[in-house]
Amino acid sequence: EDKVVQSPLSLVVHEGDTVTLNCSYEVTNFRSLLWYKQEKKAPTFLFMLTSSGIEKKSGRLSSILDKKELFSILNITATQTGDSAVYLCAVGSNYQLIWGAGTKLIIKP
Amino acid sequence: GAVVSQHPSWVICKSGTSVKIECRSLDFQATTMFWYRQFPKQSLMLMATSNEGSKATYEQGVEKDKFLINHASLTLSTLTVTSAHPEDSSFYICSASPIPQGNGGEQYFGPGTRLTVT
Repeated sequence: EDKVVQSPLSLVVHEGDTVTLNCSYEVTNFRSLLWYKQEKKAPTFLFMLTSSGIEKKSGRLSSILDKKELFSILNITATQTGDSAVYLCAVGSNYQLIWGAGTKLIIKP
Repeated sequence: GAVVSQHPSWVICKSGTSVKIECRSLDFQATTMFWYRQFPKQSLMLMATSNEGSKATYEQGVEKDKFLINHASLTLSTLTVTSAHPEDSSFYICSASPIPQGNGGEQYFGPGTRLTVT
């Protein structure tokens, strides 16, 4: 059965810290891995990763995929209170996205 | 780019009535649209996948007669919750993809619709 597992489930850090969120997967017909940020409403797209070892960056956020070990990490440096959210990882197979349960990140001022 | 809207944002209805939720892709053609349901503090649960002009594919356990999905054009899909009951109260989110069947590519999400059935 296809599955996506995120860790940790919840994380509380202080502003300015760096955090690493993990996403491991077992999915047949892997096509891509996607990261989303969800605050109070619907998720907003962050990254799509399809190739191993190529880091994608957007400001203080970066992500990388390891297709051999079947995982991805999402890094956030110099965290700010506005980074507080649930971060969702999803793996795309042929016809759908398989979602992880999310990591709830709380940034304390 | 890649903006998806949903209407309404929040709806309260009486038990037994039907509610229609619209999902529109504003600046791209959405070959495939997805409908999700999300309970508090839980991840997204895919309800169905719809391709323009064809019948929706429902996930196991989702009643197709209760959750009617219509994807009549490349920019509009609707979800109708028929004979709504309090247990249907939830946050419904649509997403759209320009790629057929999503094909593992990114999906762009609408802002969601909160349904409360009294």
